[in-house]
Amino acid sequence: EPEVTQTPSHQVTQMGQEVILRCVPISNHLYFYWYRQILGQKVEFLVSFYNNEISEKSEIFDDQFSVERPDGSNFTLKIRSTKLEDSAMYFCASSEGLGSTNYGYTFGSGTRLTVV
Amino acid sequence: AQTVTQSQPEMSVQEAETVTLSCTYDTSESDYYLFWYKQPPSRQMILVIRQEAYKQQNATENRFSVNFQKAAKSFSLKISDSQLGDAAMYFCAYGSGETSGSRLTFGEGTQLTVNP
Repeated sequence: EPEVTQTPSHQVTQMGQEVILRCVPISNHLYFYWYRQILGQKVEFLVSFYNNEISEKSEIFDDQFSVERPDGSNFTLKIRSTKLEDSAMYFCASSEGLGSTNYGYTFGSGTRLTVV
Repeated sequence: AQTVTQSQPEMSVQEAETVTLSCTYDTSESDYYLFWYKQPPSRQMILVIRQEAYKQQNATENRFSVNFQKAAKSFSLKISDSQLGDAAMYFCAYGSGETSGSRLTFGEGTQLTVNP
C-alpha cells in the first residue's frame, strides 16, 4: 500500500525560528496538501498545490507560510518565524485527479510541532 | 462554502455491540465525496470508508458501513461488532467532486470509547 511519508515525526523549536516540515507524497498523485490540527480541535486546511504552484490556500496560510516542491518527490512546508500558536500537528496529504477509480486523500502520519 | 457538522463530541459502545456516529453537511454542489477518517491516539489519519454522492448504494467496508441520505445531507457511520481497537476519534469529511484537488472540509470529530 503506497504511503505518504512525513519527517520529522516531532519537532521542537524556539519561538521566532524557521522550521521546514517535509513530506514525500505518493508518487503518482498530482495534488498535494497541508493540513493543521491544534490539539483537541478539528483538522484545518492550509494549502493545496498542483503543477508546481499553489492552487488554493486558507486564511491561516499567511505570509509566514510557504510551500515548495524542490525536486520530483519532496513537498515541504516552511514556517518562517514560528509563534507559540503554530504548535500543532501538521499533516501532509496527496490525491489523484477526480477521474481516478479510487479517488481519495491519503494522509501522512503527521509532524508534531512544538514551539517553545 | 461547505460545512460539516458532527453533533456527538463523545460516544461509547460495549465491545461486540453496534454504534452509529452522525454527520451532517451542507453544500450546493451535486457531485461530491464523503469520507470517514479514524484518528487513534497516535494521531495518524486513517481512511475508514468513502462514499461517492452519485452512488445510491451505501458504502461498506467489513464491519463499517454508512447510511447516506443525500436529500437530508446526512452521512452516518455504523460500526458493527465493535472492537477495542475501534476506540479513536472519528472525523467526517467532505470533498468536492466538481474540482480536482479541492480541500477536504472536516467535522469537529466524535471521540469513540469501546468498553470491554
